[in-house]
Amino acid sequence: GAVVSQHPSWVICKSGTSVKIECRSLDFQATTMFWYRQFPKKSLMLMATSNEGSKATYEQGVEKDKFLINHASLTLSTLTVTSAHPEDSSFYICSARDHETQYFGPGTRLLVL
Amino acid sequence: GEDVEQSLFLSVREGDSSVINCTYTDSSSTYLYWYKQEPGAGLQLLTYIFSNMDMKQDQRLTVLLNKKDKHLSLRIADTQTGDSAIYFCAESLLNQAGTALIFGKGTTLSVSS
Repeated sequence: GAVVSQHPSWVICKSGTSVKIECRSLDFQATTMFWYRQFPKKSLMLMATSNEGSKATYEQGVEKDKFLINHASLTLSTLTVTSAHPEDSSFYICSARDHETQYFGPGTRLLVL
Repeated sequence: GEDVEQSLFLSVREGDSSVINCTYTDSSSTYLYWYKQEPGAGLQLLTYIFSNMDMKQDQRLTVLLNKKDKHLSLRIADTQTGDSAIYFCAESLLNQAGTALIFGKGTTLSVSS
């Protein structure tokens, strides 16, 4: 099946710094990528939908200036958490769509101290 | 609004069958999915079913879809300890940016030997 990678898998940062998370589709081209956030014992919450070459579409309640998404190529999307705060600590998962199926990355665990 | 509901826990003995149920709200969903998440990991696509199908079988997995009642189920035959994980059902939803997935909160399957 299709493979999606994320980097880094773990990141610990100080409050106020920015963190960039990369999402790559390894063996297919993805015109659409998605970013999700998962809280403990909660479902995945869609943050934004990213189409290659255009601005991301953010879900209600997600601050676009705080969570910057760039989808510069058909195989790479990045999520930058700007001026991170402890409440941004979470598990961030990206997915990439290949035809009608979304394939998920392994997730990035962010801890903001 | 869109909502996907699942029971939160299921406990079975090794060798028994597991049935995980899900209800969804968007009757226009084209595809419905089952994902598996092992501890600390991303989501693994298990199987999916097209909305005009009633049943799909894939080795030990059987998906049943009752479109009238908007009910989806996943049956795992001969459940093994390695099947212990969180299982998410998801419906596809067309939003302004394309097609996104709406997830249930996940069913934690515990398999005892």
